[in-house]
Amino acid sequence: EVQLVESGGGLVQPGRSLRLSCAASGFTFDDYAMHWVRQAPGKGLEWVSGISWNSGSIGYADSVKGRFTISRDNAKNSLYLQMNSLRAEDTALYYCAKGSEAVAGTGDFDYWGQGTLVTVSS
Amino acid sequence: SSELTQDPAVSVALGQTVRITCQGDSLRSYYASWYQQKPGQAPVLVIYGKNNRPSGIPDRFSGSSSGNTASLTITGAQAEDEADYYCNSRDSSGNHLRVFGGGTKLTVL
Repeated sequence: EVQLVESGGGLVQPGRSLRLSCAASGFTFDDYAMHWVRQAPGKGLEWVSGISWNSGSIGYADSVKGRFTISRDNAKNSLYLQMNSLRAEDTALYYCAKGSEAVAGTGDFDYWGQGTLVTVSS
Repeated sequence: SSELTQDPAVSVALGQTVRITCQGDSLRSYYASWYQQKPGQAPVLVIYGKNNRPSGIPDRFSGSSSGNTASLTITGAQAEDEADYYCNSRDSSGNHLRVFGGGTKLTVL
């Protein structure tokens, strides 16, 4: 059974940093791209970032480019999102999603975690 | 980056057929995938590729595409289909980017 468990969310002040983690199990982690998708309270889904199986291709939404960094550790079956210079508009539930293909730009999001909540407020 | 446009809300009578649409330039080149999200739950993939359903998704869900428009059709809508539906596709820029539509709230009457 595929499982994705996010952690690392919490309350943080504007301008500070936070690192999210996603622990994956139930599939061969290094065969697939992985993604972060967020959902602000009462709003729709927003794709944040994706990383290919070998970290060779990475993409970011314009809203986070230059502030967020996605990475993965295939030896630990883990996905990360380093979030710097956080803003109030980054407040959201952050989902980890498994890609259905090896590269981030193709395929779909076939499994999702339950999300970790990030609140940016002073 | 690309944009995908969805109607904010659609309603359907129980047992009837409903089509939810998604428009965007990237859909001329790439298929959309569709996600169902019920309140308090994570999204679930319901349609991908030309018209494929993951295991466990009822066959009343189907997908199609024409020009810059992708569609999700529910034939014989059930009460449990009431949810938010989001389309997603590759960004037409090709820079490993992905984009979601704004979502459609489906109400089953």
